[in-house]
Amino acid sequence: AQSVTQLDSQVPVFEEAPVELRCNYSSSVSVYLFWYVQYPNQGLQLLLKYLSGSTLVKGINGFEAEFNKSQTSFHLRKPSVHISDTAEYFCAVSERGGGADGLTFGKGTHLIIQP
Amino acid sequence: DVKVTQSSRYLVKRTGEKVFLECVQDMDHENMFWYRQDPGLGLRLIYFSYDVKMKEKGDIPEGYSVSREKKERFSLILESASTNQTSMYLCASSSVAAGAARETQYFGPGTRLLVL
Repeated sequence: AQSVTQLDSQVPVFEEAPVELRCNYSSSVSVYLFWYVQYPNQGLQLLLKYLSGSTLVKGINGFEAEFNKSQTSFHLRKPSVHISDTAEYFCAVSERGGGADGLTFGKGTHLIIQP
Repeated sequence: DVKVTQSSRYLVKRTGEKVFLECVQDMDHENMFWYRQDPGLGLRLIYFSYDVKMKEKGDIPEGYSVSREKKERFSLILESASTNQTSMYLCASSSVAAGAARETQYFGPGTRLLVL
């Protein structure tokens, strides 16, 4: 069975500073990887996903993530954050594709943007 | 745009009541999912369905059942609600088709359930 570890439960960052949210996974087979964002009182929205191909994946709102198979990581980055990026971020993994089976989520990282 | 709607945003029920949470998607997706979200635990999969009348247990199915009589609708049922089922419940759907939406789950806004 797969698992996901988000190493930081909260990450405070000043506005316009860069940020990295860390995600590590474990699985015995190939995986698909996802980052979702949840704004207050809303459902989850897909930021980006890695299925295959280039290990650097670009998503919405200026976010990107890099798949590192040797380190089993899929860290999320943004070069300059805005107040509107304040939200909960979830890393998720699927062994056979989230489209067919459920996703396994990490516990989430709360990104707090300070003015 | 894909739209997943959930029947209630907030719900208050008493212990022992039978509770129905409804989810409807308008994109003809084959797969539908129910998760619960708790602080510090992330999202956990309760049940999913890949076709009408088909269902599969997720990671935490105990105390729950589901129903999928029509493709667009997936119901989560708490047969006898208990206080430890107080949580945020999120529904999602996805398509098996190829393309940009491949492997992507689309989520509803959630139902926050309080069991007293």
